[in-house]
Amino acid sequence: DQQVKQNSPSLSVQEGRISILNCDYTNSMFDYFLWYKKYPAEGPTFLISISSIKDKNEDGRFTVFLNKSAKHLSLHIVPSQPGDSAVYFCAAGWGLGGGADGLTFGKGTHLIIQP
Amino acid sequence: NAGVTQTPKFQVLKTGQSMTLQCAQDMNHNSMYWYRQDPGMGLRLIYYSASEGTTDKGEVPNGYNVSRLNKREFSLRLESAAPSQTSVYFCASSYTNTDTQYFGPGTRLTVL
Repeated sequence: DQQVKQNSPSLSVQEGRISILNCDYTNSMFDYFLWYKKYPAEGPTFLISISSIKDKNEDGRFTVFLNKSAKHLSLHIVPSQPGDSAVYFCAAGWGLGGGADGLTFGKGTHLIIQP
Repeated sequence: NAGVTQTPKFQVLKTGQSMTLQCAQDMNHNSMYWYRQDPGMGLRLIYYSASEGTTDKGEVPNGYNVSRLNKREFSLRLESAAPSQTSVYFCASSYTNTDTQYFGPGTRLTVL
């Protein structure tokens, strides 16, 4: 049973526009969430995170929104740039302050920024 | 400061052969992890080590063993490789078991 779901395998966005990547989760014990970016033949790179006590976190062009009641988070990239073309993984964990180990990952969304 | 390093980058094995994937981190992290990535499957946790001296099974541990050699190094061993273990393997580390994880560049393994 998939606990973290990214239902869009791919997303195409024009350069300069907003990219919105979505993620749903089923385990209500998750209390922190992360987005990773991955280029081909490289390891995932940490992008941004949010804990369950917040509903929004911003870092430059990247904003993550968390809707706990809907068990949904999204990553907004504004404006989208060609270098943003990559696979984006949503990940979730639980036990802030001591608890379970490891992260549960979604299957990824391939974002393609078109010129 | 190299972060997380993995060796080798590529490996081809025949069914039944054994090998060890090496991982080292220089960030003074306590926790280390091994994941595998298969097409359309995302990353799945194989084993992890929350701190030096401890190891635990993740989601897909069958066919693998691990050793936390010291605080810096965490190795993954395939005793008898099978074609189903063809995958890309990523090592990661974090300061504690609930902190952001940082990943190595991966090892692409093919088992014929």
